[in-house]
Amino acid sequence: DSGVTQTPKHLITATGQRVTLRCSPRSGDLSVYWYQQSLDQGLQFLIQYYNGEERAKGNILERFSAQQFPDLHSELNLSSLELGDSALYFCASSVGGGRDYNEQFFGPGTRLTVL
Amino acid sequence: KNQVEQSPQSLIILEGKNCTLQCNYTVSPFSNLRWYKQDTGRGPVSLTIMTFSENTKSNGRYTATLDADTKQSSLHITASQLSDSASYICVVTPSGGYNKLIFGAGTRLAVHP
Repeated sequence: DSGVTQTPKHLITATGQRVTLRCSPRSGDLSVYWYQQSLDQGLQFLIQYYNGEERAKGNILERFSAQQFPDLHSELNLSSLELGDSALYFCASSVGGGRDYNEQFFGPGTRLTVL
Repeated sequence: KNQVEQSPQSLIILEGKNCTLQCNYTVSPFSNLRWYKQDTGRGPVSLTIMTFSENTKSNGRYTATLDADTKQSSLHITASQLSDSASYICVVTPSGGYNKLIFGAGTRLAVHP
């Protein structure tokens, strides 16, 4: 158990809908990262937050947004969902946010299915 | 072209045997290279992290090597166990990348009794 929690574990929804994925980082970690893993593909970095502020952006679509709250939990909002958004969404956390060597600890993931 | 390429794509070995997984990368300059183990449907778990100046790092039966000149890394698994069945992912962090990890597609390893 990495100490990172994600809810829900599974989510099934329809095209055009909007969903929110939630992540709680390990105790003491200030950074939260979101990743997308489509079927049989590598993980793609979406976005990073550090202590409430956006720190880095990857291949995140405009239909997706995220935020980190004062208690450091984070939410990833996915809107106008398309079939291609079906994937595993992972959250990871680390202590710092600016050093390249920070160990990232991954949560169990949320499996999103768009029908 | 992927910046991190792994081979083979999949591998089947018998329990107790050794195996070596390969990773070639083009990310430059890079800060560190990591190997993760990912069980099906679960989050990746870190095995090793090496900076550009390190050549080898071990974690139990897992040994990673790095050749920064040829931009190659390998993960050697000794005396494989059934629980080693998983995907093994090579990950490179670009320098100054604020932890923007670049993931390879992974090698899917199956250990059979």
